[in-house]
Amino acid sequence: AQKITQTQPGMFVQEKEAVTLDCTYDTSDQSYGLFWYKQPSSGEMIFLIYQGSYDEQNATEGRYSLNFQKARKSANLVISASQLGDSAMYFCAMSPLGAGGTSYGKLTFGQGTILTVHP
Amino acid sequence: GAVVSQHPSRVICKSGTSVKIECRSLDFQATTMFWYRQFPKQSLMLMATSNEGSKATYEQGVEKDKFLINHASLTLSTLTVTSAHPEDSSFYICSARLDGSQAREQYFGPGTRLTVT
Repeated sequence: AQKITQTQPGMFVQEKEAVTLDCTYDTSDQSYGLFWYKQPSSGEMIFLIYQGSYDEQNATEGRYSLNFQKARKSANLVISASQLGDSAMYFCAMSPLGAGGTSYGKLTFGQGTILTVHP
Repeated sequence: GAVVSQHPSRVICKSGTSVKIECRSLDFQATTMFWYRQFPKQSLMLMATSNEGSKATYEQGVEKDKFLINHASLTLSTLTVTSAHPEDSSFYICSARLDGSQAREQYFGPGTRLTVT
């Protein structure tokens, strides 16, 4: 079984500053993938960044980076230079991986963190 | 990325009626589709996994007779909420992927907000 924990129900950040959203996980799978999604008030799920458990380097996608610490079982999201449009709910999720890093697709989500960016 | 659509985006129905929600992959063939349910300000909970041409696999605690899932083609999966009750009011989101694709290649629909009165 897999479990994702996001301990920050809400976070506030000033525009143009960086913010870290916490995510810890628990799994018995040897190989797994970690995801971050953004969900604005419209409800759509926007993919932000992905990290495979086998990846030695932390993933980066533009202003988003994933601070992956495998031994601590954490996969924190760092958003640099926050923008007003970053205000949304953020979900950390994970999925077991099969051979070759392919995913079975089943995602387990954390509780989410509501990020508010102040001008 | 690829596009997944859902229809309708919002639906209001009376208690006791059935509602069908469609999930379509518009520009790729989706061998697997997933249905999630989300209550306000809560997490997404996986309800079932739908594979084209076979019966859906339901998560523990999800009533298969109440939430009927049909994945009739490689581009369409439907979720029918039968005999809906107010407690079924929720946000339903589907996601779709092609088997064998990379882990990040999973695409979500925009969601359907169901209100049962």
